[in-house]
Amino acid sequence: EPEVTQTPSHQVTQMGQEVILRCVPISNHLYFYWYRQILGQKVEFLVSFYNNEISEKSEIFDDQFSVERPDGSNFTLKIRSTKLEDSAMYFCASKGQGLPYEQYFGPGTRLTVT
Amino acid sequence: AQSVTQPDIHITVSEGASLELRCNYSYGATPYLFWYVQSPGQGLQLLLKYFSGDTLVQGIKGFEAEFKRSQSSFNLRKPSVHWSDAAEYFCAVGAKSSGDKLTFGTGTRLAVRP
Repeated sequence: EPEVTQTPSHQVTQMGQEVILRCVPISNHLYFYWYRQILGQKVEFLVSFYNNEISEKSEIFDDQFSVERPDGSNFTLKIRSTKLEDSAMYFCASKGQGLPYEQYFGPGTRLTVT
Repeated sequence: AQSVTQPDIHITVSEGASLELRCNYSYGATPYLFWYVQSPGQGLQLLLKYFSGDTLVQGIKGFEAEFKRSQSSFNLRKPSVHWSDAAEYFCAVGAKSSGDKLTFGTGTRLAVRP
């Protein structure tokens, strides 16, 4: 069964550094998402992406964040200058066109900012 | 704005006992509703979903959920819990338009007594 993959599984970085989290969505999917989950809290929407542009973003997704689909397979989330409060699990998800209206989630990348 | 409430933060049941996890949603129109399960350190696995039609939906691992529009609820049930069901369960709501975000509840952590 096709699945969403994410790399790395765990990233440790120092405050102020840039990080890029990578995702490979399911190959025929057209809609892509990033969510994050701070330890012990609920999963929060960050951004959705369709047709090479952002469809919607949350207030969390400020100028420090950007997304890109650099080629036909990868979908990346960049944090330009990480803060301690960016420490979280970041989930990528993808969805196909039309029904079933179901987002498939990757296993997540745990980002630790020290 | 859409929102999800899971009133039970933590539930403990005995193995073999029945289970019901509560979920209430707020959304202006008929929503898409989902239940996801997250084992420790793992990603999100879809248990079941409701889009339309039969209000009682069956999912994987013996779970089912019932959509009750009058109560704005989508409670998850299982007739007999197994020790391997111990995990965190998230209810989520999505909008009936392609590409829309999922809004998650705060989750219910399920513990299973032997």
